[in-house]
Amino acid sequence: NAGVMQNPRHLVRRRGQEARLRCSPMKGHSHVYWYRQLPEEGLKFMVYLQKENIIDESGMPKERFSAEFPKEGPSILRIQQVVRGDSAAYFCASSPGEGYEQYFGPGTRLTVT
Amino acid sequence: QKEVEQNSGPLSVPEGAIASLNCTYSDRVSQSFFWYRQYSGKSPELIMSIYSNGDKEDGRFTAQLNKASQYVSLLIRDSQPSDSATYLCAVIFSSGSARQLTFGSGTQLTVLP
Repeated sequence: NAGVMQNPRHLVRRRGQEARLRCSPMKGHSHVYWYRQLPEEGLKFMVYLQKENIIDESGMPKERFSAEFPKEGPSILRIQQVVRGDSAAYFCASSPGEGYEQYFGPGTRLTVT
Repeated sequence: QKEVEQNSGPLSVPEGAIASLNCTYSDRVSQSFFWYRQYSGKSPELIMSIYSNGDKEDGRFTAQLNKASQYVSLLIRDSQPSDSATYLCAVIFSSGSARQLTFGSGTQLTVLP
């Protein structure tokens, strides 16, 4: 049973470009969460999605960040007009339901130059 | 604001000893508690989940939960050098649509051979 998959594993973008991060949940999981870990900081929640619905985006920055989980295909976290402060590890997690264990993917390390 | 606090560490124990990691949380109605292990540069790996008061054992790991004291701990018996990592306590605070993990800052454990 494949785990949570994320790609790319490493992404380098210049300031002002767009970053698109992809996450495929574990088989049988329909709940997806995105977290960000800034250098030398803890893990912070960004957004919680189910298929075709954003359930909770209280942790998302108000501008430039968006997320989706379409009926078909992976969940996507999009960052427009990236700035150096966006450099971080972005982790996706999935669970089979609310309140259950969340399993993390390997993460995408975003570097903004 | 709901918070999770952990021993600041770092914590060093000799090989074969018991490592004790502690965590407190701020919300009495929390229902779900987790311990993750994170090696440097890697993603969090779920070690234990605990939902009710008492102890839960899985191999060399024991999680303990005391909801009245808002306290959860992780014991690692027969510690091995491969257990050297950062251990993250995480809580799902039950309010509204919130189902995300709130993480503590982590305790860095070093097991000395």
